[in-house]
Amino acid sequence: DTAVSQTPKYLVTQMGNDKSIKCEQNLGHDTMYWYKQDSKKFLKIMFSYNNKELIINETVPNRFSPKSPDKAHLNLHINSLELGDSAVYFCASSQEGREGEKLFFGSGTQLSVL
Amino acid sequence: GIQVEQSPPDLILQEGANSTLRCNFSDSVNNLQWFHQNPWGQLINLFYIPSGTKQNGRLSATTVATERYSLLYISSSQTTDSGVYFCAGYYNNDMRFGAGTRLTVKP
Repeated sequence: DTAVSQTPKYLVTQMGNDKSIKCEQNLGHDTMYWYKQDSKKFLKIMFSYNNKELIINETVPNRFSPKSPDKAHLNLHINSLELGDSAVYFCASSQEGREGEKLFFGSGTQLSVL
Repeated sequence: GIQVEQSPPDLILQEGANSTLRCNFSDSVNNLQWFHQNPWGQLINLFYIPSGTKQNGRLSATTVATERYSLLYISSSQTTDSGVYFCAGYYNNDMRFGAGTRLTVKP
């Protein structure tokens, strides 16, 4: 069984559209994350979230918003998509969200904004 | 902000060769980790190594926290080792990644 799964794997859309990427983990972890990997392979954390706290990287535009219907899911909503949003987005989870915990990653969603 | 530098940026090896990847931090970080992203994009944790040395099969890692660097050793490389290797550390509760070392192992 896949530990962290995200859908879709590929997403191609037009500028200005609103889209969502779904993430689910079946590990019973308390904390989930979203990362963005740009074309140069730079990885940056966007959000970390558990049932107590949402931590947002201040560089993330407010067009991006995480939504967590329950502990096992953290979906990423993106409004008014821009060309610069094209990237691979990774979802991840960890047991408690403490520093240094092992992270479990999804397989990534490649977003292309045309 | 903190700078995370990885070297070399690209590395091409013949199968069976050994290699050392380096990660330097401009300031002290906590809880340094190494990741491997395979050619299909999957990210996998390799080591959690805030200090000292750990070994896992053909891979080992050493972190010298006082000197703000970490090394990842790959011995007897295999084609399946190809991909991008990232180091990352926590600084002010924020996880910072290096730009990665792209490793290509040729048969």
